[in-house]
Amino acid sequence: KNEVEQSPQNLTAQEGEFITINCSYSVGISALHWLQQHPGGGIVSLFMLSSGKKKHGRLIATINIQEKHSSLHITASHPRDSAVYICAVRETGTASKLTFGTGTRLQVTL
Amino acid sequence: DAGVTQSPTHLIKTRGQHVTLRCSPISGHKSVSWYQQVLGQGPQFIFQYYEKEERGRGNFPDRFSARQFPNYSSELNVNALLLGDSALYLCASSPIDQETQYFGPGTRLLVL
Repeated sequence: KNEVEQSPQNLTAQEGEFITINCSYSVGISALHWLQQHPGGGIVSLFMLSSGKKKHGRLIATINIQEKHSSLHITASHPRDSAVYICAVRETGTASKLTFGTGTRLQVTL
Repeated sequence: DAGVTQSPTHLIKTRGQHVTLRCSPISGHKSVSWYQQVLGQGPQFIFQYYEKEERGRGNFPDRFSARQFPNYSSELNVNALLLGDSALYLCASSPIDQETQYFGPGTRLLVL
C-alpha cells in the first residue's frame, strides 16, 4: 500500500464545474504539498500546508491532520486547469524528502 | 529572476553507460533535491543536499550518486545505466531546508 493515495486517478469535468481531488496518507507528516504537472513534465508548487486551509485564486486546499486527509478544490474550472495534480507529503523527522502520490489526471472540457 | 534550470533537457544513452545531469537552483537557494519520475507514476525521492552536505537519500542503488558545489548547483550521476533508469529526472530547490520546493523542467533520459 502506498504511503500517499490519491483519488480519483482520472477526472473529466466540464468547464465551470467544481472539482475535488482527495489525498490520504498513512505516515506522520510535517507538511503536505499540492503540485501541478503539465504535459512535458514541468511541476509547479500550488500549496504547502500543515494545518487548516489555504486559498489562491480559484484553488483551495484543506488538510485534516487527525484524519490524515487533504483535499484540493478547483472552483469554476477551466480547460487551462487540465493537468496532473500531485499530492506529496514531508514525513516527520525527514529533511526535504517528499513522498508523492501517483497523481490525478484532470481534463476540463468546453 | 531565473527559475531552476536543468541540463540537458533530453538525453539518450545505452545500457551500461554513465550519465551526468546538472541542476542550477534559484539564486539564493541552498537546498537541492533530486527526483526520478517514471512514466505514469509520481516522482520518487533520490537525494537532497543542503549547504553541500547530503541530507537525505531515497531507496536507490549505489549506482546513483550526487554532489552539490560551493555555488549550490548540483550534479546527479548514474553509472551502469539500465533500461529501467529511463525516466524524467527532476531537480527542485528551496531557500532553506524544509521549505516550498521549486521544480526545474526536468531532464528526460532514455536508456536503450
